[in-house]
Parts: sequence; structure tokens; C-alpha cells
Amino acid sequence: AQSVTQLDSQVPVFEEAPVELRCNYSSSVSVYLFWYVQYPNQGLQLLLKYLSGSTLVKGINGFEAEFNKSQTSFHLRKPSVHISDTAEYFCAVSDPFTSTNAGKSTFGDGTTLTVKP
Amino acid sequence: EAGVAQSPRYKIIEKRQSVAFWCNPISGHATLYWYQQILGQGPKLLIQFQNNGVVDDSQLPKDRFSAERLKGVDSTLKIQPAKLEDSAVYLCASSSGLGNEQFFGPGTRLTVL
Repeated sequence: AQSVTQLDSQVPVFEEAPVELRCNYSSSVSVYLFWYVQYPNQGLQLLLKYLSGSTLVKGINGFEAEFNKSQTSFHLRKPSVHISDTAEYFCAVSDPFTSTNAGKSTFGDGTTLTVKP
Repeated sequence: EAGVAQSPRYKIIEKRQSVAFWCNPISGHATLYWYQQILGQGPKLLIQFQNNGVVDDSQLPKDRFSAERLKGVDSTLKIQPAKLEDSAVYLCASSSGLGNEQFFGPGTRLTVL
């Protein structure tokens, strides 16, 4: 079974400071990894994804994430945050390769990023 | 390209009543998901369709929840009868294939009194 742990439920940070949101996953097979963002009263939208290839992936709004297979992590980073980055961030893992998982995605419980002026 | 549509956006009902949610996925997306998102938690998969067949419904409370995707396009999720603990946001998502990135609708916020 696959699982996702987001290590911080809340991350407060000042504007223009760097931020890292941590995500660890558990799976016995190769996986796809995703970060989604959810702004207040909106649905989730994709920030970035790792399918294969380069372990450093870049997404929208200046975010990037690094896939570390040995540590089973997929941490999200941004060098300088803005007030508008205040939102809920979800890490997700999916396994499209095995029939038992059937491409099902498992989500973490989210990290609330609050950017203060 | 139109996104995933859901209706209604908000619904308030009393316990033991029934309720239905509708979802229209992105055109051409074969995979459709229904999630339940309780406040403070991540989305929990209720059911996953591939075209009009069920791929995974292991976490769907089948004594009260049902879902269908006739003709492999839009889908409805029904709760009958509702319980207080069903209060949540119900998200619909679609993707072009199993395991691929998902596109989410705005969700339906259900309050059960």
C-alpha cells in the first residue's frame, strides 16, 4: 500500500523568505509524484509533477521540487514567497504500473502555508 | 479547454435526507475520481472510474453512498441517508489516464445538520 506523509501541518513564513514543504512517501514500486495547491474556496490545481528523468522538477509560480528515491522524499521549495502563495499544499503519489493500485492517487493531509507581510 | 464542472457548489441538508452531486469531466478524459475532503485533511478517494467501469471503490461506504458514470462521461454521486459525519467537500477530478495528473472541479460543500 502506498502512503504520503506531509511532515508539517502549518508553515508560517515572512514574505520574500525561502520556504520548504516536506513530503515523504511510502511505496514498494516506482511511482509518480505530484504537488497540488488549493487556494481558499477553490479546487486543487497542479503545481508540478515528477514522472521520470531529472530529479529536479520545476512548476508554476516559481516552485520546484526534488525527488529523492533513497530517502523517498519529494520536498517542495520556493526561494522567495509572496503573500499570494498563502494556500494549502498537498503532496500526492500514484502508481500507474501495477494493476492492484490501478493508478490510484494517495494524498497527504496537506500543509498550510501562511505568508506574512 | 473547459475544466471539470461540478454542481451544486453548496448543499445543506438534514441527517437522514438524501443528496446527489453531479460532475462533468474534461472532454476525452477516461478516468474520473470522486474524493471526500474533510476539513483539515487531504482528499480521500471514494471511487475511481475508467470510462464507465469502476476501477476502485474500496473506500466507498456502500451502505449509503453510490456512484455511477453512465456512458463514460458525466457522473453522479449519491448519499442516502446522510449522516452528520458526511459533512465535507466532495471533489470530482478527471485525468487522461490511470496515474496521470488530475484536474479538479471546484467541489461541492455539503453540510449535514
